[in-house]
Amino acid sequence: AQKITQTQPGMFVQEKEAVTLDCTYDTSDPSYGLFWYKQPSSGEMIFLIYQGSYDQQNATEGRYSLNFQKARKSANLVISASQLGDSAMYFCAMRERGNDMRFGAGTRLTVKP
Amino acid sequence: NAGVTQTPKFQVLKTGQSMTLQCAQDMNHEYMSWYRQDPGMGLRLIHYSVGAGITDQGEVPNGYNVSRSTTEDFPLRLLSAAPSQTSVYFCATTGGTGAVGELFFGEGSRLTVL
Repeated sequence: AQKITQTQPGMFVQEKEAVTLDCTYDTSDPSYGLFWYKQPSSGEMIFLIYQGSYDQQNATEGRYSLNFQKARKSANLVISASQLGDSAMYFCAMRERGNDMRFGAGTRLTVKP
Repeated sequence: NAGVTQTPKFQVLKTGQSMTLQCAQDMNHEYMSWYRQDPGMGLRLIHYSVGAGITDQGEVPNGYNVSRSTTEDFPLRLLSAAPSQTSVYFCATTGGTGAVGELFFGEGSRLTVL
């Protein structure tokens, strides 16, 4: 069963604007981790940000922040001040106790100049 | 820092041929895994290993074999390739345990089965 849902196949944002990429997840395990990865057109997978299920504060890494709403089981990625280089596929992923990580279908973000 | 190295980067096979995708890591991680990436489906787990001598199936294991004789290497074998196995394959590793620790990925291997 699909445990990670990304409902936005594609998103557009104007350069320098902020954008939110949606991610919802499903788990019954109280201990889990949520991850976001970026995949540019060159194909490599780049780790962006991590949020643990017990973390009290939302994770931030530079221009990336994770809007973690545990009760709603959502883990949206917020990119502030978008840059042309942010154009890429973005994947939300979850890791439960047991090590293997499951991914959503991805959102293709296009930043317009 | 090599990290995770996958070979080959590109491969074209005919239906029924066999091949092995190689994955090697120099990060001394116990956990290694193989994913396939198809358009609109994200990354799907094929097989994974939590240490030498231990392997287990992921979401889409059919048609693939793995083994883990050393900590460093985790090859993925296609015994009889099918067009449905045309995909981009990623090897990944992590040093984290439980729910903690990001995956480190190789650069990917693009496989086409004719």
